[in-house]
Amino acid sequence: DTGVSQNPRHKITKRGQNVTFRCDPISEHNRLYWYRQTLGQGPEFLTYFQNEAQLEKSRLLSDRFSAERPKGSFSTLEIQRTEQGDSAMYLCASSVGSGRRNEQYFGPGTRLTVT
Amino acid sequence: AQSVTQLDSQVPVFEEAPVELRCNYSSSVSVYLFWYVQYPNQGLQLLLKYLSGSTLVKGINGFEAEFNKSQTSFHLRKPSVHISDTAEYFCAVSERTGTASKLTFGTGTRLQVTL
Repeated sequence: DTGVSQNPRHKITKRGQNVTFRCDPISEHNRLYWYRQTLGQGPEFLTYFQNEAQLEKSRLLSDRFSAERPKGSFSTLEIQRTEQGDSAMYLCASSVGSGRRNEQYFGPGTRLTVT
Repeated sequence: AQSVTQLDSQVPVFEEAPVELRCNYSSSVSVYLFWYVQYPNQGLQLLLKYLSGSTLVKGINGFEAEFNKSQTSFHLRKPSVHISDTAEYFCAVSERTGTASKLTFGTGTRLQVTL
């Protein structure tokens, strides 16, 4: 069990550029979640995948945000035309089930800074 | 929607002293509650969870929490803290979103342990 991994760990970009983050979940986990954490706040849910299907995306912050999980393994989160307000930590989590009892395992996060 | 309130943004404490981090939740249905710890520049690690059964839950690193339904609280305690416990602590409630579950976090409590 190598845990959830995320790349890159840090990303600095200029306003208006597109960025893409990758998340590799724990291998046997078929559920994958993305959260955003801004300074001084707890993580905020963005979207969820069951295998390759994106079953909940209403919390994505705007149409500039999109996520994919093409083969039901790794996932990518893309932000187009970045804004300074997008600066945050982006966390990925995975779980083996979708029930409320199931523990979500978090990755180390990708810290985005938009200048 | 469910919510979580962490009443203290920061808790300073001396090493080997006891500590309590407070968490209150709002829910009209059965709740599943979690405490996560976040060390600097790292992701979240599960400390403990309450799903059902005994209201006193023991977790890792000597932490425990007590579920109190009448007071809608889930306070985290440790009888004797160590310098290495310095971190951000998040209380979270699991709730349904579509066909899956998501975690709704509090704003966090920073535990600062000093000599």
